[in-house]
Amino acid sequence: GAVVSQHPSWVICKSGTSVKIECRSLDFQATTMFWYRQFPKQSLMLMATSNEGSKATYEQGVEKDKFLINHASLTLSTLTVTSAHPEDSSFYICSAAGTSDGEQFFGPGTRLTVL
Amino acid sequence: GDSVTQMEGPVTLSEEAFLTINCTYTATGYPSLFWYVQYPGEGLQLLLKATKADDKGSNKGFEATYRKETTSFHLEKGSVQVSDSAVYFCALQGIWGNEKLTFGTGTRLTIIP
Repeated sequence: GAVVSQHPSWVICKSGTSVKIECRSLDFQATTMFWYRQFPKQSLMLMATSNEGSKATYEQGVEKDKFLINHASLTLSTLTVTSAHPEDSSFYICSAAGTSDGEQFFGPGTRLTVL
Repeated sequence: GDSVTQMEGPVTLSEEAFLTINCTYTATGYPSLFWYVQYPGEGLQLLLKATKADDKGSNKGFEATYRKETTSFHLEKGSVQVSDSAVYFCALQGIWGNEKLTFGTGTRLTIIP
């Protein structure tokens, strides 16, 4: 099956710093990538949808200036959490779609802890 | 808008018990339906899916049937194992492909020996 990787798998940072998370589709071209946020013991909440070469579409309530998404190539999307604060601590998951049936393949997630 | 309502957990069962996790949905048209599983410390994995009414998805002994008349996609397994302990998410996807997934809240399943 299609493989999606995320890097890093976990990161701890100080409040006020920025953190970049990478999402890569390893064996297929991802025309669309999705970024989700998962709080402990809760479901995944879609943050934004990005299409290669286009600006991301953010869900209502998600600050686009805080969560910068770039989808510069068909195999790479990045999420940058700018000026991170403790409330941004969460599990961030990406998924990628690009096969003919539109199935999404999920990365293993990145746990962000902001001190 | 689209929504998924999933049986709340946590659910605790003994090994070899029968499992049902209920899932109902609200959507326009004929969405695709999915069950994803998240094992401890891991990302989501697709467990099974169904793309049209009356389709049955199956994998690893799990089954779910797309019921248009009741807008449901209940997950079942006849005999659970300890290794099935995980969080299970029901989800739907719109009809156009490459669309976002709408997830249920997840059901934590624990199987005791």
